[in-house]
Amino acid sequence: DAGVIQSPRHEVTEMGQEVTLRCKPISGHNSLFWYRQTMMRGLELLIYFNNNVPIDDSGMPEDRFSAKMPNASFSTLKIQPSEPRDSAVYFCASSLGQGGRQFFGPGTRLTVL
Amino acid sequence: RKEVEQDPGPFNVPEGATVAFNCTYSNSASQSFFWYRQDCRKEPKLLMSVYSSGNEDGRFTAQLNRASQYISLLIRDSKLSDSATYLCVVIPNDYKLSFGAGTTVTVRA
Repeated sequence: DAGVIQSPRHEVTEMGQEVTLRCKPISGHNSLFWYRQTMMRGLELLIYFNNNVPIDDSGMPEDRFSAKMPNASFSTLKIQPSEPRDSAVYFCASSLGQGGRQFFGPGTRLTVL
Repeated sequence: RKEVEQDPGPFNVPEGATVAFNCTYSNSASQSFFWYRQDCRKEPKLLMSVYSSGNEDGRFTAQLNRASQYISLLIRDSKLSDSATYLCVVIPNDYKLSFGAGTTVTVRA
């Protein structure tokens, strides 16, 4: 039984480069969440989709961040251009229904040099 | 004031000991509460929900105190495998999980 799948698991890039993180939610889940975790700020919700539609993007730090969900089985989080302060672990989570239990993917560890 | 605050610890306890810690939340309208567990360099995983009347799951007991706006987690007969960071989670509205920064527990042999 596949859980939430994220790729890549690790990404090292240089400042100014574009970074694209990918997520495949659990089949049948209709809510998808992108989180960022850092030592300083803990886990923060970046954006939430329900039925492929962005519902709350108030956590997206700035215009350099964008997220899409073109279909029920795929979402991307893009950072362009990336900066060193974007270094963090980015988690994707999905749930059945917006208030349902959230299952987290293994995360993408991003390092921006 | 942060929405959810936790004592970061670490709590260093011997095997078999009982360890307990709290988490406070600021939004009195919050309806749902959870404890998540996060192992080093892994994703958070749901440990247990917290119900108004308090609930147990094996060696783990969770309590909710609405009047004082805190939840607690107690681990009895702690095992080495209980070593992890425990995240307090509060849902102030329908979907948005507010995470505490986590309480680190280390169980030593």
